[in-house]
Parts: sequence; C-alpha cells; structure tokens
Amino acid sequence: DAGVTQSPTHLIKTRGQQVTLRCSPKSGHDTVSWYQQALGQGPQFIFQYYEEEERQRGNFPDRFSGHQFPNYSSELNVNALLLGDSALYLCASSSSGGAYQETQYFGPGTRLLVL
Amino acid sequence: AQRVTQPEKLLSVFKGAPVELKCNYSYSGSPELFWYVQYSRQRLQLLLRHISRESIKGFTADLNKGETSFHLKKPFAQEEDSAMYYCALSGLGQGAQKLVFGQGTRLTINP
Repeated sequence: DAGVTQSPTHLIKTRGQQVTLRCSPKSGHDTVSWYQQALGQGPQFIFQYYEEEERQRGNFPDRFSGHQFPNYSSELNVNALLLGDSALYLCASSSSGGAYQETQYFGPGTRLLVL
Repeated sequence: AQRVTQPEKLLSVFKGAPVELKCNYSYSGSPELFWYVQYSRQRLQLLLRHISRESIKGFTADLNKGETSFHLKKPFAQEEDSAMYYCALSGLGQGAQKLVFGQGTRLTINP
C-alpha cells in the first residue's frame, strides 16, 4: 500500500486562474480531509469528504470547493487564485469506523505557487 | 474558540539531554490531543495521542486539563529526534474530526 498519494507534487499558477488538486486515500479508507499549510504555519483544515459529501468545513471562502468520487478519491478545486493561496496543500485519509477519532494519514502534499 | 499554541518555534538541545516541547490549548468541551511529527523529507505522521496513553519512541505526553496543556517529553534526546513537531486537537466523536494544529516547533538535537 503506497499510502495516501497526491498529484501533482508542484504547481505554478497565476492570479485569477483555477487549480485542481487530487488525492487518493490509503487502502481501506473512505474519508478524506484537506488542509492548507502556509509557510511557517501549521496545517489549517479546509474541509472533509465522506460518502461523496462535504461533512465538515473550515473557515475558507467558497472559492475552495471539493469533490469525492465513488472510489473515495478526492479533488480540491480553488477558483480565482490569489497570491495568498500559495501554500502546501495536504490531503489526509481515515476510516469512518470505530467509536473514537480515527487516525488521519497524511499525503506528501502538493505545493502550489501563485504568481 | 479552538486554538493550539506552541510557544517555541525553535528548540535546540544536546544529545542525551531531556526534551520538553510545550503545547497549550483552548477548547470548549473535552478535546482529544495529538502530537504529529514530520522528519526531513517525510510526510506528516502521528506520533502519539492522549487517549491511547502510549509511549512512542520514548516520548510521552500528559494531558493537564487544569493548565490546558499537553507537553511532549523525552528523558534522553537522540539525534534522530530532530524534526518538526506539531501539537493538534480535535473534538471527540465517531470517525475523523477536523484537526486544529499549532504552528509547530522545530527540534534540533545537537551531537
């Protein structure tokens, strides 16, 4: 099992453009969470997908949207890119089973640079 | 408001010395606390969580609800402990809950 995979690894866009980032969860996981990590900061929660629906959302504008597919993989879309969207975008997958908080496994991230 | 504070951005200690990485939190209710670690060129990974009460790689962390702290400790630091450490919290609930991270502490162990 390769664990959580993300693509692409790096991306350069210009202001106003749109970007799509992709994530494949760890085998057996059905829940995907997305985080934004700005330089020198800790990861910040964007949203979480389960059963193809957004289940939780952090304090991010509507420019940030997502999707989950039947195979549990997920996409993060960002419209009308701003310079401040430059960051490392992390995907984390987990299982929905169990009585307690399931461990989230992180991918290597996609580094987005907006010029 | 949910917040995690790691007051030290950088921490440097000598090999064999004790290590303590500080973490304070604010949360309405009973959170679950975690320590995540990121070694050089590796992905973010869970080190330990308070609910499991485990010692991982010699590290321990005790949840102090009175002081709202969850400091990470190790009695004898090793060079391979050099990494970026993040304290995080989430609400209690079934399945994965959103994680709120601190800014992180970069730990350097000097030979």
